[in-house]
Amino acid sequence: DAKTTQPPSMDCAEGRAANLPCNHSTISGNEYVYWYRQIHSQGPQYIIHGLKNNETNEMASLIITEDRKSSTLILPHATLRDTAVYYCIVRVPRYSGAGSYQLTFGKGTKLSVIP
Amino acid sequence: DGGITQSPKYLFRKEGQNVTLSCEQNLNHDAMYWYRQDPGQGLRLIYYSQIVNDFQKGDIAEGYSVSREKKESFPLTVTSAQKNPTAFYLCASSTQGASDTEAFFGQGTRLTVV
Repeated sequence: DAKTTQPPSMDCAEGRAANLPCNHSTISGNEYVYWYRQIHSQGPQYIIHGLKNNETNEMASLIITEDRKSSTLILPHATLRDTAVYYCIVRVPRYSGAGSYQLTFGKGTKLSVIP
Repeated sequence: DGGITQSPKYLFRKEGQNVTLSCEQNLNHDAMYWYRQDPGQGLRLIYYSQIVNDFQKGDIAEGYSVSREKKESFPLTVTSAQKNPTAFYLCASSTQGASDTEAFFGQGTRLTVV
């Protein structure tokens, strides 16, 4: 799986949009971008994933650049409960036929939502 | 409710003892994983299993052992050979079929060697 690079920490004011960047310059054509978050001392929680089109769900939006070398996770209206470590992962899902079972996590970005 | 359960939440072990961490899921997932997390660090993969009676080493398997006798269960044994066992251990599961999109994690077991 490709390596990702994320800033170690970010702050965001409560009620504002939180934009978390991720660089994955070595991503291959069949690798998807996944985002998870981990609230302190809990297990990680899946947020969203995408291949090349922008994606949105009830939790967040994912914007992937046209060259797919970077992406941004957007939390449109950050709340205090969004304070967590956010992990960006790139991998090939198994339903593609060539996917791996491994999920490789980096250190992520620690997002602090400020009241 | 469907989910993945790890027990116990906190575990203390004396140096030189083996200890087994439990992970059970009722999501009917084929794949299960064990990760280790140290303070301020990301998750590192210890072992994973794609199917019953099969498992593979991850990046840091030394000092650990697993079994997968049932689909629902993937216990992890931390042996006395593990030099620095104090850590937060996370178990996860995921599907194998066409709906494979995400992994579900348990709430973790915090192991402390005393």
